Amino acid sequence: SAVISQKPSRDICQRGTSLTIQCQVDSQVTMMFWYRQQPGQSLTLIATANQGSEATYESGFVIDKFPISRPNLTFSTLTVSNMSPEDSSIYLCSVDSGVNEKLFFGSGTQLSVL
Amino acid sequence: GENVEQHPSTLSVQEGDSAVIKCTYSDSASNYFPWYKQELGKRPQLIIDIRSNVGEKKDQRIAVTLNKTAKHFSLHITETQPEDSAVYFCAASRNSGGYQKVTFGTGTKLQVIP
Repeated sequence: SAVISQKPSRDICQRGTSLTIQCQVDSQVTMMFWYRQQPGQSLTLIATANQGSEATYESGFVIDKFPISRPNLTFSTLTVSNMSPEDSSIYLCSVDSGVNEKLFFGSGTQLSVL
Repeated sequence: GENVEQHPSTLSVQEGDSAVIKCTYSDSASNYFPWYKQELGKRPQLIIDIRSNVGEKKDQRIAVTLNKTAKHFSLHITETQPEDSAVYFCAASRNSGGYQKVTFGTGTKLQVIP
């Protein structure tokens, strides 16, 4: 399985500010995915990032709020913009293994917005 | 879109007993069904998966069954141990524009009582 490094691991932010989360994979992958996990809840897909094209956002998520970059096949960032307390969640990047569809997760970023 | 329901939301069993978690899905195009285990403060870890052309799969104390006609799939853990205590998520995956789109269930918090 791929080794997925994510940082920061946690942060406490003031409302109205923005935070950029980085995700680094130890091998080239076509697709990278960003998930949100609200406290005690399941995982919700925010967007899918393909290198060289704009990210595809799921219903309820917009690019202005969650801009994503995917500059190469091993790296992606997710920015949480103009944060409010409702954005307090764990944010997880993930990649699939390509051929056999297995999805693997980074260690997550625990975000608290005051 | 896909909807995955998972039951029960919490489950307590005595050490050594079996645990069963059940999921249903709505999209008949879903063809891959992974199960994830998430320990407190950690990333979701893939523990077992099954494809739509298979009815059952077993890996040591863990087994999954799939009834494609009824759109039901289940996780069975035998001889439970305290280290099995975690939140378990089922998921249903389908091909969507060249990648597998994964929808997660709502999670089951399993507590194994020593």
